[in-house]
Amino acid sequence: DSGVTQTPKHLITATGQRVTLRCSPRSGDLSVYWYQQSLDQGLQFLIQYYNGEERAKGNILERFSAQQFPDLHSELNLSSLELGDSALYFCASSNGGGISNTGELFFGEGSRLTVL
Amino acid sequence: AQRVTQPEKLLSVFKGAPVELKCNYSYSGSPELFWYVQYSRQRLQLLLRHISRESIKGFTADLNKGETSFHLKKPFAQEEDSAMYYCALLIRNQGGKLIFGQGTELSVKP
Repeated sequence: DSGVTQTPKHLITATGQRVTLRCSPRSGDLSVYWYQQSLDQGLQFLIQYYNGEERAKGNILERFSAQQFPDLHSELNLSSLELGDSALYFCASSNGGGISNTGELFFGEGSRLTVL
Repeated sequence: AQRVTQPEKLLSVFKGAPVELKCNYSYSGSPELFWYVQYSRQRLQLLLRHISRESIKGFTADLNKGETSFHLKKPFAQEEDSAMYYCALLIRNQGGKLIFGQGTELSVKP
């Protein structure tokens, strides 16, 4: 499958812990986007990377950080977890970034995080 | 501030009835708008973009700059249209980020 892949699919952890979510973009895509989806907030944009560099930032908490590696996969690190961080975290990729962005993103299946 | 608003969380219609999913946006620049759809057990995917002025699966959406709206319409709903629909706004001057509305669940009953 050459689509966007995210691991793990499900993750249960306790408050105060730290987790890492991983995303591999579609083959050839240079941009990676992270979104958080919770029941009452819809899809919230967190952060975007293009070819290893941060391009745009959204409502990402200071406890969260991300990076994109030379092989273009990305990781989202969530630390000092709180109950309210429980959500579905989506990764998406696209070929372009910035002004070359066509607006078509390809989404992964998401990583469901439950904080107890 | 840039914002996308979908006022309806749930829209329920009968098969064959017309459908209109509402989307309003707030953006000072030139808007580029999209509709994404997520069918049950499938990934979120692009349905249509305003710049293409296309009809996909019978759906159309017209950008109305005066009303800052981009409503999604279909004259005759089908059961297979049942899904979650998201309106999205592309912000090019901020790295090309795509911001989404909260989504509307469309339920088409037989």
